[in-house]
Amino acid sequence: NAGVTQTPKFQVLKTGQSMTLQCAQDMNHNSMYWYRQDPGMGLRLIYYSASEGTTDKGEVPNGYNVSRLNKREFSLRLESAAPSQTSVYFCASSEAGTPISPLHFGNGTRLTVT
Amino acid sequence: GESVGLHLPTLSVQEGDNSIINCAYSNSASDYFIWYKQESGKGPQFIIDIRSNMDKRQGQRVTVLLNKTVKHLSLQIAATQPGDSAVYFCAALSGGYQKVTFGTGTKLQVIP
Repeated sequence: NAGVTQTPKFQVLKTGQSMTLQCAQDMNHNSMYWYRQDPGMGLRLIYYSASEGTTDKGEVPNGYNVSRLNKREFSLRLESAAPSQTSVYFCASSEAGTPISPLHFGNGTRLTVT
Repeated sequence: GESVGLHLPTLSVQEGDNSIINCAYSNSASDYFIWYKQESGKGPQFIIDIRSNMDKRQGQRVTVLLNKTVKHLSLQIAATQPGDSAVYFCAALSGGYQKVTFGTGTKLQVIP
């Protein structure tokens, strides 16, 4: 049972380039999330998907777009990368229809934008 | 808005001793709290949770205490082992998907 799988693990982009971070979960969870983690700051929510077919903005959505491709997959796209988007990105999923259940995280994508 | 903070950025503990990691939150409406463990290069891993109608919950070698009066919670790890070395952070939920606030973490170092 893989849990939450993120690809790629590492990525270096030049300013202005685009890329998509992939996330898949095999726990049949309804809700999925994208967070970013920066030094000295707590995890911050970028976007979430409460259920298949829905997506909503979180705390720091600017510069990102998401797609809930199906119940398993939730991708995060950077259309024009900026150095401020250098961060570690975590995908997570949760069982119930609300985050009252714990989040299950992937191992992250470490992104550097030069 | 909600803020969640841990009291010490780093905690060093002798192997076999008990560890106590503290966390304070600001929103009295927070009704669900979770402790996560994050090892180097990995994603956060769920340890234990507690709802606001409880003041104590125990798991395997871990206990979470919640004091709603002073808006404080703690994570106690019994008989700390080298494998417990990680960053620990708490999260508070105050209603809704967007309302989970994460603390910045305490790095636990276990001295053999």
